This record gives sequence, C-alpha cells and structure tokens, in this order.
Amino acid sequence: TQLLEQSPQFLSIQEGENLTVYCNSSSVFSSLQWYRQEPGEGPVLLVTVVTGGEVKKLKRLTFQFGDARKDSSLHITAAQPGDTGLYLCAGDRDKLIFGTGTRLQVFP
Amino acid sequence: NAGVMQNPRHLVRRRGQEARLRCSPMKGHSHVYWYRQLPEEGLKFMVYLQKENIIDESGMPKERFSAEFPKEGPSILRIQQVVRGDSAAYFCASSSDRNTEAFFGQGTRLTVV
Repeated sequence: TQLLEQSPQFLSIQEGENLTVYCNSSSVFSSLQWYRQEPGEGPVLLVTVVTGGEVKKLKRLTFQFGDARKDSSLHITAAQPGDTGLYLCAGDRDKLIFGTGTRLQVFP
Repeated sequence: NAGVMQNPRHLVRRRGQEARLRCSPMKGHSHVYWYRQLPEEGLKFMVYLQKENIIDESGMPKERFSAEFPKEGPSILRIQQVVRGDSAAYFCASSSDRNTEAFFGQGTRLTVV
C-alpha cells in the first residue's frame, strides 16, 4: 500500500502555463516536505510545511498543506523549462515516506 | 561546508559479489537514512540509523542487506551476493535530529551484471 499518492504521474506542458501537483494520503503527517529531483542527482528539498492550512511561496512555486495535514499541493505559475524534473512529496513519520512522484516536463 | 557525500557514484558488480555503499552525513548530523529508487519510481525507505544504532529497518530486505553507522566513519549499506534485481540508485540522507529536515546525497547507482 502506498501511503502518499501523487497526481498526476506525468505532466507535459508548454512554457508559461500554470500547473498544480497533488499529494494525497489517508494518514496524518506531522510535516510534509516537497523535493525536486533531476536525472542522476539526489532529491533537493524545496520546502517543509508543518501547520494545517499553511501556505508557503518560493518565487513562482506555492505550496499548501491541507487543514487536516493529510494532503498537500504544489502550484507552479508560468512554468519554465528549468522547472523540469521529478517532484516528490514526503511525509514525516519518524522517517520520510515518499510519494509516488510527478514527472514534469516543460517545453520551450 | 560539504553536503551529504556518497561514494562511489557508480558501482558495477557481477552477480554473487558484494556491494558496499558509503555515506558521510553532513557535519553535525547523527541521523542517517537509506533509500532505494528504481528507474521511473519514487524513493523507498530502507533503514534509519543513529550513531551505532539501527532505529528502524522495516524497509530492509530480510536477507543479504545490512547497514551500519559506526561511531567513527561513514554509514555503510552492504549488499551480499548481489542479484540483478538489486540494480537501482541508492540514496542516503542525513538530519541533525529526528523529525528535522533531511538532506540527500547524490546517490550510488548500482548495476549488477
């Protein structure tokens, strides 16, 4: 069983479009982290959300933690080719449990 | 100010050989986590160690796999008698405390031929 399900699994869009990636679970997490991973590299931490309902912004990226701390979303505004990569959410249960991942490709 | 260091970056082993993967955590970090990633998939938790102790090994296969984090030196993930199915990227992460942010190394890509 997968604790954290991400959707969509794959996303191909044109530069300038907006997109939202979802991370859903039936379990409550004390915190949730979002990572981006590029081919051949390790995941790089983007943000940690801790409080239910919390919204954090990182330039064109907006992260939201659900009120019940079971789900999260990542919204990217005006996507750029440099945003291409594998986006992973991870919930904290004494160790990080990773989601299934969303592979984003942004075409120029 | 080095991050998490893993070596080797690439490792090729023949079936039946042993693979040793090393992870040096960030300075000041005493918690280490190992994950495995198959192509086109997310990261699967393997084991969580704190200096000299295994805290959680619920993701480790019961046979052939072992991990240690000695008082001195890097954490080691050891795979004995490797099989083709062990081919994957193995990532190590470290944190300063439980439930704090974890930072990942660049991974070791193991290929079993």
